Amino acid sequence: IVLTQSPGTLSLSPGEGATLSCRASQSVNYNYLAWYQHKPGRAPRLLIYGASTRATGVPDRFSGSGSGTDFTLSISRLEPEDFALYYCQQYANAHNSPRTFGQGTKVEIK
Amino acid sequence: EVQLVESGGGLEQPGGSLRLSCAASGFTFSSYAMNWVRQAPGKGLEWVSGISTGGTTFYADSVEGRFAISRDNSRNTLYLQMNSLRVEDTAIYFCAKDPAVLPAAFFDSWGQGTPVTVSS
Repeated sequence: IVLTQSPGTLSLSPGEGATLSCRASQSVNYNYLAWYQHKPGRAPRLLIYGASTRATGVPDRFSGSGSGTDFTLSISRLEPEDFALYYCQQYANAHNSPRTFGQGTKVEIK
Repeated sequence: EVQLVESGGGLEQPGGSLRLSCAASGFTFSSYAMNWVRQAPGKGLEWVSGISTGGTTFYADSVEGRFAISRDNSRNTLYLQMNSLRVEDTAIYFCAKDPAVLPAAFFDSWGQGTPVTVSS
């Protein structure tokens, strides 16, 4: 399954909302889709799994939605620490085919 | 607190070998599948290999036959033996934990990564 993220870069100001898209080349069974935040030189951080379940400790300004082939990560009010790279990842058929990631969306300070 | 600390990266010539290690702490290592994920310069994340709690191994096509993943539950350590290295294997290699016994889900904890450069 190929995941395509858009846009490539989002230029926003702190306090604004962000909407990141992840589109799959075929339906992601059981909505087995996750989102990660990654800052250079740091460990990636799991934000969302199962398309909409927040991981432990993730602030509620992060929310995931979508099903089938179209998924969205929303950040309601950007905090300074939220400016980073974001990746989606599918694990729908992991027993038969490799888990794949999108190419990433960079959220940068405007 | 879960901690994953990778080591063993470095500069190697094409055709050479490297062995990466990932020291785990803060959880029952033997109860969870583990993985290696890499990020080439300027590129996104790519799953490389995974190992179940029982030792069953899985590989991306790009490394099948060249890389070998293993685990030592007595040492809480994950390994990646990288042979026949290619320039395109240049990347930061991350150790990542699965939330279950099989490497088939999302990655709930990650290390900071160790850089591997393959160049003559």
